[in-house]
Amino acid sequence: QVQLKETGPGLVQPTQTLSITCTVSGFSLTSYYMQWVRQTPGKGLEWMGFIRSGGSTEYNSEFKSRLSISRDTSKNQVFLKMNSLKTEDTGVYYCAYGQFPNWFAYWGQGTLVTVSS
Amino acid sequence: DVVLTQTPSILSATIGQSVSISCRSSQSLLDSDGNTYLYWFLQRPGQSPQRLIYLVSNLGSGVPNRFSGSGSGTDFTLKISGVEAEDLGVYYCMQATHAPLTFGSGTKLEIK
Repeated sequence: QVQLKETGPGLVQPTQTLSITCTVSGFSLTSYYMQWVRQTPGKGLEWMGFIRSGGSTEYNSEFKSRLSISRDTSKNQVFLKMNSLKTEDTGVYYCAYGQFPNWFAYWGQGTLVTVSS
Repeated sequence: DVVLTQTPSILSATIGQSVSISCRSSQSLLDSDGNTYLYWFLQRPGQSPQRLIYLVSNLGSGVPNRFSGSGSGTDFTLKISGVEAEDLGVYYCMQATHAPLTFGSGTKLEIK
């Protein structure tokens, strides 16, 4: 069955780079868009970006200058990297997917990231 | 960016009561392809969001039919016909017509 699982560092220092991996099973990354959404105390749910089935990406301009989404289809993994972290980036980061137009039908359990020195 | 305004922010209901949540958009969500990309999610305490409805009124797989969605243009409504205890949590609307995708600020459903 479909599963998505995010793994992240837990704690990141300000100005450092965040790296999160979303490992999926039950479907192919080459067939669906993979989305990233975060939930922060300050702004609630925010869409960050996605990687298309063909591998191209789209980002929320809010994060565009410091966000990168990539994947390794052989490992069924999608990666989120965001640099220049601030304390306001503290929150839960989710990967999600769904077949058009039923996007976001499936979510991972999320990974909590705390940005603190 | 499109702003989605949800009302009320908190909703208190008894079991069996029918309730509605409003989601109002700052721009029309009717896309040039004819679809309206308005979604509803429920986030239960301690859980990830769960998709309830897509394209305004289409019920997701496995979602009970006491949930229904309606609306067009800029005004949308989620209705729960007969609240059950498992429905408590925060409800969010989301639009995917205009980039960037945006979420409403949420409506918390409490069970009396």
